[in-house]
Amino acid sequence: QSALTQPPSASGSPGQSVTISCTGTSSDIGGYNYVSWYQQHPGQAPKLMIYEVNKRPSGVPDRFSGSKSGNTASLTVSGLQAEDDADYYCSSYAGSNIHVVFGGGTKLTVL
Amino acid sequence: QLQLQESGPGLVKPSETLSLTCTVSGGSITSSGYYWAWFRQPPGKGLEWTGSIYYNGITYYNPSLKSRATISVDTSKNQFSLKLSSVTAADTAVYYCVRHLRYFTLASDWGQGTLVTVSS
Repeated sequence: QSALTQPPSASGSPGQSVTISCTGTSSDIGGYNYVSWYQQHPGQAPKLMIYEVNKRPSGVPDRFSGSKSGNTASLTVSGLQAEDDADYYCSSYAGSNIHVVFGGGTKLTVL
Repeated sequence: QLQLQESGPGLVKPSETLSLTCTVSGGSITSSGYYWAWFRQPPGKGLEWTGSIYYNGITYYNPSLKSRATISVDTSKNQFSLKLSSVTAADTAVYYCVRHLRYFTLASDWGQGTLVTVSS
């Protein structure tokens, strides 16, 4: 049972937009602006796509964007491309005792 | 460019201690502001944070591991290590070493991961 709740799957056709949600509590997502999103292709290490809710690391396309409202964070992928087909995980800082929590992951399928 | 490389046994017997080392190249493990962490991912499952260390030795652990984890740093070798005691099959996972900033933000540098299987 993951601390953060993500839908197990999402899908969209090339060129479309898709949004993946990540729901937590006031002790994690709702309490801090330290939400991150990771992309993971099979057999590879996770890749950071979004940090601090809506910031993109260098090299990440601006098709990827993040937001937060209350206890729910969201990752939006616009202009879907075949290479976006992957698993996506959210994480959030959760205070000085728990430190960091993850969502269970969402399998994004580009149709 | 910073690179992290995990190393250690791929097979550990139940009740024994798992030991992994992460070698950092292309940057210093004593860089101010950066924390060095171990994450793991059981086969087919999600990510879990194990613990983090700062170069001065301050450590933070996932409370769910119930004090089984110990992370140490060797600044002379630019390495940090994980020991996980009393392992069971539930500790079978790909273990990643990661660099991050405070509050686990900007965790953009990951090792390739190493699979550790707990089995007799």
